[in-house]
This record gives sequence, structure tokens and C-alpha cells, in this order.
Amino acid sequence: VQLVESGGGLVQPGKSLKLSCSASGFTFSSYGMHWIRQAPGKGLDWVAYISSSSGTVYADAVKGRFTISRDNAKNTLYLQLNSLKSEDTAIYYCARGGDWGQGVMVTVSS
Amino acid sequence: DVVMTQTPVSLSLAIGQPASISCKSSQSLLGTSGKTFLNWILQRPGQSPKRLIYQVSKLYSEVPDRFSGSGSETEFTLKISRVEAEDLGVYYCWQGTHFPQTFGGGTKLELK
Repeated sequence: VQLVESGGGLVQPGKSLKLSCSASGFTFSSYGMHWIRQAPGKGLDWVAYISSSSGTVYADAVKGRFTISRDNAKNTLYLQLNSLKSEDTAIYYCARGGDWGQGVMVTVSS
Repeated sequence: DVVMTQTPVSLSLAIGQPASISCKSSQSLLGTSGKTFLNWILQRPGQSPKRLIYQVSKLYSEVPDRFSGSGSETEFTLKISRVEAEDLGVYYCWQGTHFPQTFGGGTKLELK
């Protein structure tokens, strides 16, 4: 199993960013997937989940601003981040059950 | 939301000593399926989290058997029978029974 995130970077408050997670080594379409984040020096914070049938659930802190989606043909998970705030600054990990990617850094700052 | 409370916040142990970490949830983690979705993960310094235990007590295949998990409903424990150098890092419990899923605050294991 391999999960590789990309798309992070420095973005101004109020702007948008789209993260990707490329999956391999398993039948991607059969599994629910998570996005989980970790602010600098802090603990883990669950962000969103998408089921194998594309049902979605969000943490209250991101509901209405972030959108999780998937493209099973491309074996890729996405997280669209809109209306970004400084408190969204974190490493964002995609995860499938016990398997985690290496993470991608998102910094929200003017 | 389910609040996950881990204790202690930190542990300083010598190699070969046993370790025990407690995780308590504000609600029962027994799901309607009859399964309890309580996981343990380890984040070594500078690395992404790694899986250790799922459904309270089931070790992933690559995890050494000096690790064990136990508990039910709202009280769970991770034990290391004899700490080794590679075990240092931050341990988190993570509940997957209820949405939003939630993590404990972490327990930092340092070597004495």
C-alpha cells in the first residue's frame, strides 16, 4: 500500500487549494478514505471521510469550506480547501484505515 | 463528539521496562456491528503516523508482539512488555466508531 499526497503550499487567507492523494497497492475503489491533519507541534485532527460509495462526512471546523472527493479511475483522493484560515495551517495526511501517507504541508499566511 | 482522553501525557522509561498507556472515551465505542473501532498508532519523530493496533487488540502483521491492546466500551490500554529504542515517539488512540472520528491527545514516550 502506498499513499502519496501532493498539492500543498503557501496560500493567503481566504484563498483555495486542492490536495491530491495518489493510491496504489490496493483496490482503491473498495475502501473508504480519510483526510487527517496535524497543526505544527500539535496532535492529530480528523478532517473528512469518503466512503467507497462516495458518501462524505466532515469535521465541524471544515464543513462548508472543504470538499472531499475521489476519482476511482485515477486511484486518487482529493481535498478541496476553500476560504482558508490561518488555523488550517497543518500537515494534511490521507489515510486508509491503518495506512497513512507521508503528508503534505499547507501554510495559510499573508 | 466523542472525547478521547489519554494518560499519561508523557512517559520516560529505560530500555527493557514495561509501558502502559490509558485511553478513555466519553461514550462507548462498541458499534452497532458489535465491533469496537479503537485504534492505536505511533508517530516517531519527524515521521507520519504508523499503524499498531486495530479493533482494540488486533496487531497489524508487522507489529512486534511486545505490543498489546485491551479494553472495552470506554476504557482501553496499550501495553509494551519491554520498551525498545525504536518505540520512542508519540502514541495516539483513535476512535472510528462514531463520526466525527476523534483522536486522543497523545502520549510521548521518551527513553530515560
